[in-house]
Amino acid sequence: RKEVEQDPGPFNVPEGATVAFNCTYSNSASQSFFWYRQDCRKEPKLLMSVYSSGNEDGRFTAQLNRASQYISLLIRDSKLSDSATYLCVVTSEEYGNKLVFGAGTILRVKS
Amino acid sequence: NAGVTQTPKFQVLKTGQSMTLQCAQDMNHNSMYWYRQDPGMGLRLIYYSASEGTTDKGEVPNGYNVSRLNKREFSLRLESAAPSQTSVYFCASSEGAGENWEKYFGPGTRLTVT
Repeated sequence: RKEVEQDPGPFNVPEGATVAFNCTYSNSASQSFFWYRQDCRKEPKLLMSVYSSGNEDGRFTAQLNRASQYISLLIRDSKLSDSATYLCVVTSEEYGNKLVFGAGTILRVKS
Repeated sequence: NAGVTQTPKFQVLKTGQSMTLQCAQDMNHNSMYWYRQDPGMGLRLIYYSASEGTTDKGEVPNGYNVSRLNKREFSLRLESAAPSQTSVYFCASSEGAGENWEKYFGPGTRLTVT
């Protein structure tokens, strides 16, 4: 079983829509959680950290459910510029608590 | 600031050839990393350097070596390239070695081994 699993998508949504992605992780001891964004043929960039209490950054909301071992990302009022691959990232005790990346979920926002 | 830079951007190698991927950062970060990204898989850590003078293996170190030349530079060497090493390679840096430090990635090197 992969340590981090994501629905690869693509999620095709119209501008202005609300879209949500989930990500499940297998290691119950994982301590830190993040969402990264990767544009086509570009490098990943940190979108937001995910805190136990949930956190919001503008149109983006991230939540953590430790009991069910998943994290979610909600994007409200989608913009064309939100089109990208969203990478779920958790820490792993193996390899010295380094980051483990999911394969990503593709979002396409269309006008 | 250029951030994290990588050279070359693209490379094609024949099986058995060797090459070194170069990475440099100008953010005075202590920690540097090498990842590979393959279709359908997440980025996987090859090697990392928590601080100048130290290097450690990540998830997929076989077939690679690294050198932390100084605080700015961290190179990745393929001694005898294999088709399984065809991938996109990303270098990253962070201010500290802990998982909560934001990682800044370079633009990547697209390597094809034939």
